[in-house]
Amino acid sequence: EAQVTQNPRYLITVTGKKLTVTCSQNMNHEYMSWYRQDPGLGLRQIYYSMNVEVTDKGDVPEGYKVSRKEKRNFPLILESPSPNQTSLYFCASSLAGGGYTFGSGTRLTVV
Amino acid sequence: RKEVEQDPGPFNVPEGATVAFNCTYSNSASQSFFWYRQDCRKEPKLLMSVYSSGNEDGRFTAQLNRASQYISLLIRDSKLSDSATYLCVVKVVHPSGTYKYIFGTGTRLKVLA
Repeated sequence: EAQVTQNPRYLITVTGKKLTVTCSQNMNHEYMSWYRQDPGLGLRQIYYSMNVEVTDKGDVPEGYKVSRKEKRNFPLILESPSPNQTSLYFCASSLAGGGYTFGSGTRLTVV
Repeated sequence: RKEVEQDPGPFNVPEGATVAFNCTYSNSASQSFFWYRQDCRKEPKLLMSVYSSGNEDGRFTAQLNRASQYISLLIRDSKLSDSATYLCVVKVVHPSGTYKYIFGTGTRLKVLA
């Protein structure tokens, strides 16, 4: 089944403790992206990647890192999470020109 | 001004009604357009792409007006299961060849029995 898999689905962590949210797609998509969704603000892009080893900042990249060493994986790294990074995170992938397929989301709480 | 704007709603409509949503975009480099549906606390799912000539998928019709920079979604014969938030998405291509997808904040639809 064609899908984008994110893990974990839910995560509660403490301020400053490094964490990684994994994202993997099995559709051979070139384009992958991370979004956060907050009430009233909609989906905001954190980082995106147009292909392996090609990443770029989205609209809200501060406090996040990404890497794209393989086509299928695009992990999101929070080196020192803070409470303002509490949010619902989505990973998504697409072929050039096509619409996105989203992962199921990761609900992160930083206390 | 937001790059993609939608009326947040909510639109409360009775079952069987026809409802229309509009979305305006400001970037003339916008090349592709989509409507997504998002249920509460779930991931957005692609509802339909929007083509220049307009396109239909069952009860759903999407239209694009490049001159006025807006897209629309029409839902006929609304069902209870259509209750969701509808997101307008625009793909903007930069001169460098990079591109990004920009989401509207969504329009909430509630279909009432």
